[in-house]
Amino acid sequence: SSELTQDPAVSVALGQTVRLTCQGDSLRNYYATWYQQKPGQAPRLVIYNTANRPSGTPDRFSGSSSGNTASLTLTGAQAEDEADYYCNSRDISGNHVVFGGGTKLTVL
Amino acid sequence: QVQLVQSGAEVKKPGASVNVSCKTSGYTLSSYYIHWVRQAPGLGLEWMGMVNPSVGTTTYAQKFQGRVTLTRDTSTRIFYMEMSSLTSEDTAVYYCTRSPRLDAAMSTFDYWGQGTLVTVSS
Repeated sequence: SSELTQDPAVSVALGQTVRLTCQGDSLRNYYATWYQQKPGQAPRLVIYNTANRPSGTPDRFSGSSSGNTASLTLTGAQAEDEADYYCNSRDISGNHVVFGGGTKLTVL
Repeated sequence: QVQLVQSGAEVKKPGASVNVSCKTSGYTLSSYYIHWVRQAPGLGLEWMGMVNPSVGTTTYAQKFQGRVTLTRDTSTRIFYMEMSSLTSEDTAVYYCTRSPRLDAAMSTFDYWGQGTLVTVSS
């Protein structure tokens, strides 16, 4: 079982806003990171250190955190944003890395 | 440019071992950990372990401790993941990826290899 919990599937209408969440006790102490994965591709980093966008991530993606929950917000979803999204962080011990189970985002 | 290039697909029989390589280039080797992550068909990402390229020290997920060995050759900048006693449940795509050698960024995987499909079948 994963120490980070994500909703298995979420849908959003084209152009609307959606928030994906990642819940776990380790998030009280460590940063969350978010990845986007499309079929047949390796994951791609979209948010690091909870709220920072690497170059190449559109500014419609934003990250935040409160307590034991990290969030990835997509403002104005586009068709190309349809993908699986994974969060990760260090585990509660701080010595290992753990991934959430992933959220399949569908853009309607 | 940063590149992580993995070895090709493998087909193994149950009980066998597999060795997957990851050739790195385009960055300062000592500044980044190398991690291994796997993904079974239709399932999520699973962290396996990491190696400190400077000293070769390793950390493994408990699930893989004793069955996976991570090594590196700094002269060639190639990292290796060896897994023994394979079963059908080890059928997956195996990725190498890197994170900065900073405590705060240990789980920030900014570049990934293309993945190596390992199929375990009798």
